[in-house]
Amino acid sequence: SQTIHQWPATLVQPVGSPLSLECTVEGTSNPNLYWYRQAAGRGLQLLFYSVGIGQISSEVPQNLSASRPQDRQFILSSKKLLLSDSGFYLCAWSKQGARTDTQYFGPGTRLTVL
Amino acid sequence: GDSVTQMEGPVTLSEEAFLTINCTYTATGYPSLFWYVQYPGEGLQLLLKATKADDKGSNKGFEATYRKETTSFHLEKGSVQVSDSAVYFCALSDRGGNNRLAFGKGNQVVVIP
Repeated sequence: SQTIHQWPATLVQPVGSPLSLECTVEGTSNPNLYWYRQAAGRGLQLLFYSVGIGQISSEVPQNLSASRPQDRQFILSSKKLLLSDSGFYLCAWSKQGARTDTQYFGPGTRLTVL
Repeated sequence: GDSVTQMEGPVTLSEEAFLTINCTYTATGYPSLFWYVQYPGEGLQLLLKATKADDKGSNKGFEATYRKETTSFHLEKGSVQVSDSAVYFCALSDRGGNNRLAFGKGNQVVVIP
C-alpha cells in the first residue's frame, strides 16, 4: 500500500530564516505531487504541483519555491520566511492519468513564523 | 476558472441529528467531485467521491449525489456521532493529466453529546 510522510510535524521559525519541508511517498512510482497551505480559518490553497522529476508548476507567486529531486520526494523551501507564511502545509499525491484523480494527503506540517 | 462554494459558517448539532452540508460548483466539462474530512491536527482524508452525473458516493454513513442539473454535491448523514466532529471540504478535479483539485473553504462540524 501507499504511504505519504511529511516532516517535520511542527516547526517554529523566526522571520527571515530559511525553510525546508520534506514530503516523501512510498509504494508507488511517478506520482503527481502537490503542496497546499491551509491558513488559520481558511480553506486550502494549492501552492505547487509536479508531474515528474524537476517539473514544478507554481500556482501562486510568493517567496516559496518547490523542488522534486527524486521521483517520490517533494520539497518546499523559502530563503526568508515572512509572518504570512505561517500555516498548515499539506503534501498530497495522486496517480497519473485523468481517470485516477483522487489525491491522498500527508499528515501535514504546522509552521509558525514569529 | 473552476470553483467550489460551501455554505458559510460552522455547523453545530446534537448527537443523532441529521447533517447536511451544501456544496455547489462551477466548472467547464465534467469534473469529478469529492468530500474530504480533516480531524483536528491531521491531514485530509478522502471521505467519498463521484465521477459522473447521478453517481452517489457513500462512506461511513455519509452520502452525496452528483447533481449536474443543480451543479451540487451536498453531503448528508442521517445520524451523526461525536466522532464526526471535523472540518469537511468539498472539492472538484479538473480531470486534466495533473489532477488538480479546487477546494471549498470547508465547514467546521461540531457534534454535541
